Amino acid sequence: DQQVKQNSPSLSVQEGRISILNCDYTNSMFDYFLWYKKYPAEGPTFLISISSIKDKNEDGRFTVFLNKSAKHLSLHIVPSQPGDSAVYFCAASSNIYNTNAGKSTFGDGTTLTVKP
Amino acid sequence: GAGVSQSPRYKVAKRGQDVALRCDPISGHVSLFWYQQALGQGPEFLTYFQNEAQLDKSGLPSDRFFAERPEGSVSTLKIQRTQQEDSAVYLCASSYQRAPGETQYFGPGTRLLVL
Repeated sequence: DQQVKQNSPSLSVQEGRISILNCDYTNSMFDYFLWYKKYPAEGPTFLISISSIKDKNEDGRFTVFLNKSAKHLSLHIVPSQPGDSAVYFCAASSNIYNTNAGKSTFGDGTTLTVKP
Repeated sequence: GAGVSQSPRYKVAKRGQDVALRCDPISGHVSLFWYQQALGQGPEFLTYFQNEAQLDKSGLPSDRFFAERPEGSVSTLKIQRTQQEDSAVYLCASSYQRAPGETQYFGPGTRLLVL
């Protein structure tokens, strides 16, 4: 069973509008969540993260919201720019004291297309 | 400074052939991870090193997969007797230390195609 799910394979938005990418998880041991951006032929690049003790983290145009009770997080990009077009991966990891600490569990990604 | 590098970038292997994939992490990074990414899917964890110690290899799909990091820097992922289902992009990532949510810096990956 997939522990991190991104149910929308693709999303298309107009330049200047808001992009909202969603992610759901099932494992309650996850307590740190990250978003990565990936361009073709490159490795994923870290974008923004959030700890489970917070419900919001903001960095410039990027904001991540976490709803622990719903086991749901979302990434908001506003305003969206054509250069934001990429595959976005949601990832989750667990506490350092857990034996599985360090590794991240990834969703399958959402391809965002921002149209000029 | 230089990022994570991986070589080769592309590898075509005949079924049954052994392959070795190399990862050069960012200098000074303690943690090193290997992931396997199949087409249309997200990266899946294979194994994790802290310095030269392999602390977690729970994601290695079979005993044909072997990873090492003998001096705590460069790592090699070896796949013996490759099968078609091994075709994927193999990603290496490193991070400065082992901490909750520590940012992992990924290399560009090695795309392996087994014919």
